Amino acid sequence: DIQMTQSPSTLSAAVGDRVTITCRASQSINSWLAWYQQKPGKAPKVLIYKASSLESGVPSRFSGSGSGTEFTLTISSLQPDDFATFYCQQYSSYSGTFGQGTKVEIK
Amino acid sequence: EVQLLESGGDLVQPGGSLRLSCAASGFTFSDSAMNWVRQAPGKGLEWVSAIGGSGVTTYYADSVKGRFTISRDTSKNTLYLQMNSLRAEDTAIYYCAKSTTAVAKGYYDYWGRGTLVTVSS
Repeated sequence: DIQMTQSPSTLSAAVGDRVTITCRASQSINSWLAWYQQKPGKAPKVLIYKASSLESGVPSRFSGSGSGTEFTLTISSLQPDDFATFYCQQYSSYSGTFGQGTKVEIK
Repeated sequence: EVQLLESGGDLVQPGGSLRLSCAASGFTFSDSAMNWVRQAPGKGLEWVSAIGGSGVTTYYADSVKGRFTISRDTSKNTLYLQMNSLRAEDTAIYYCAKSTTAVAKGYYDYWGRGTLVTVSS
């Protein structure tokens, strides 16, 4: 099975900061990677698919990059609405494995 | 508008059974693979099971294989998860999620609000 590892687990940042979250796959997944945002008590929402494609309606301050086994999610200027937990997910195999999550907290 | 509405979550004793449902609307149900994803209290997301758009192909996480069965009824636009031999570690919110493809290899573009399953004596 493909394992996904995110870092850091928790991140403290201020409004306006540039934030980067990393996700590593245990084997190559090409670009079959999605990023989701989850707020407390809510279902996850997709932000990025195919490693770098922005889902419709998602603000352009979110961007993704990478291929193979190393991926990043970047928020160019953190906004108050962005404090949440972020998950990467591989969909290269039928089991859509998620990373363990990165909680972005207010500094 | 795509909508996914889960139901069937409840408090059940260890060793018991439960069937979850997910009523789908706003898209052609058979065009999309469907998935169950769970989240234990205070924990991350865990993929549980997937089913192709035709209903023929099914996939399971090792943690539930042999105990859970995923199915779908296209005539009712409904996804199911039959959960048997439940354990305390199955306690979680269960989300249904729609794949972007008919085969179970797409990302998930729509999610339901979830239904809570609690396994406890």
